[in-house]
Amino acid sequence: GENVEQHPSTLSVQEGDSAVIKCTYSDSASNYFPWYKQELGKRPQLIIDIRSNVGEKKDQRIAVTLNKTAKHFSLHITETQPEDSAVYFCAAGEDNDMRFGAGTRLTVKP
Amino acid sequence: KAGVTQTPRYLIKTRGQQVTLSCSPISGHRSVSWYQQTPGQGLQFLFEYFSETQRNKGNFPGRFSGRQFSNSRSEMNVSTLELGDSALYLCASGVSPGPYNSPLHFGNGTRLTVT
Repeated sequence: GENVEQHPSTLSVQEGDSAVIKCTYSDSASNYFPWYKQELGKRPQLIIDIRSNVGEKKDQRIAVTLNKTAKHFSLHITETQPEDSAVYFCAAGEDNDMRFGAGTRLTVKP
Repeated sequence: KAGVTQTPRYLIKTRGQQVTLSCSPISGHRSVSWYQQTPGQGLQFLFEYFSETQRNKGNFPGRFSGRQFSNSRSEMNVSTLELGDSALYLCASGVSPGPYNSPLHFGNGTRLTVT
């Protein structure tokens, strides 16, 4: 089955700086790669996703890149703000069999 | 449109007991997945149901089981509870499986505490 590794486990940045979170996956059949943000005490919410036929996708300050050959994908947040502080999860899989990374706790210092 | 609804929100059980958690997906969603979330372990996949059939299963013991009803609502059951089963159990729904996935939408979870 799919195995997803996520790094780093914690990340602290200054407001306005960029943050990058990286994930690797093991199953070459995986074709869908979403990212979820979970604020303290709340449900994970989808923030961006990418499919295997696309190399990069951007939505305002958030971007995701995918390298299918190397089996890794990354989340990039630019101009970080304190409200970006949360735990971020990457996931990989096909159909609805999604496996998640262990999460990255991002702290944005004002 | 109502989101994914999980009941109960909180549950306290003792070791050896069993528990049933409920999940109502977003209207029109027919796929339901269950995850266990514990600190340091992230989201661990339990199983996924579509059209009342279990399509995928994670690496959990047989004490963890589930089912899906014809109205797409799903239940998860844990028998012979152990202390290590204490976790937040999240349910997520999607329109359907397939090559063009719809995103998973999560419920607020059921926090289970085993004493």
